[in-house]
Amino acid sequence: QVQLVESGGGVVQPGRSLRLSCAASGFTFSSYGMHWVRQAPGKGLEWVAVIWYDGSNKYYADSVKGRFTISRDNSKNTLYLQMNSLRAEDTAVYYCASDQGRWWGQGTLVTVSS
Amino acid sequence: DIQMTQSPSTLSASVGDRVTITCRASQSISSWLAWYQQKPGKAPKLLIYKASSLESGVPSRFSGSGSGTEFTLTISSLQPDDFATYYCQQYNSYTWTFGQGTKVEIK
Repeated sequence: QVQLVESGGGVVQPGRSLRLSCAASGFTFSSYGMHWVRQAPGKGLEWVAVIWYDGSNKYYADSVKGRFTISRDNSKNTLYLQMNSLRAEDTAVYYCASDQGRWWGQGTLVTVSS
Repeated sequence: DIQMTQSPSTLSASVGDRVTITCRASQSISSWLAWYQQKPGKAPKLLIYKASSLESGVPSRFSGSGSGTEFTLTISSLQPDDFATYYCQQYNSYTWTFGQGTKVEIK
C-alpha cells in the first residue's frame, strides 16, 4: 500500500536549519509532483512548496521563499525540505503530500524555540 | 494569489442532519477544487476532487458541487464519524491554497 513517511522534525533554535525527509513507497514516486504542507498548532493548513515529478520546477509560498528549498531524489523515492533561517512562526507539523492530494504522510513536528 | 474563503467556521449539528459547507474562490478556478476531512492529530483525508468527484472509498453521503468561484460540500446524513474539520483547497495554479476550515461539532 502507499506510504509516505516524514522524518527529521524536532526542536531547533531560531536562525538554525533543519532538513525534513519524506520516504515514499507503494506508488511510482518519480511520476508524481510532490508538496509540503504545514499546520501550526491549532491552526489551519498552509501550503509550503511543490516540486515537479522530475524536479524541473519548484514553487514556494511567500512565507518561506528564500529560506526553504524543496528537492527530491527519485532514485531513493525521497522528498526533502531544507529549512534555513528558521523562525518561531515556522513551528508546525509538516506533511508531505502527493500531487492531487490523494496521499499524505503522518506529519513531523518542527518546533522553533530558544 | 488565489484566496479561498470557507463558511461557516464552525457548525453545530446532530447525527442524521444534512450539512452544507461553502467555499468561495477569489477568482475562477474552474473545477480544480478538493475537499478534505481532518481529525485531531491526523493527516487530511481527500474526500472530493475536481469539485464533485468522490474519492475511492469515501461514503456516498459526501458530495461536492460547484464551479468557477462557488463550491459546496454536502453531507447528506451526518454520522458520528463525520465530526471533524473540513477544508477546501484549490489546485488551479501550480500552488495550492486552503480555506480556513470548518469544524463540524456535535450539537
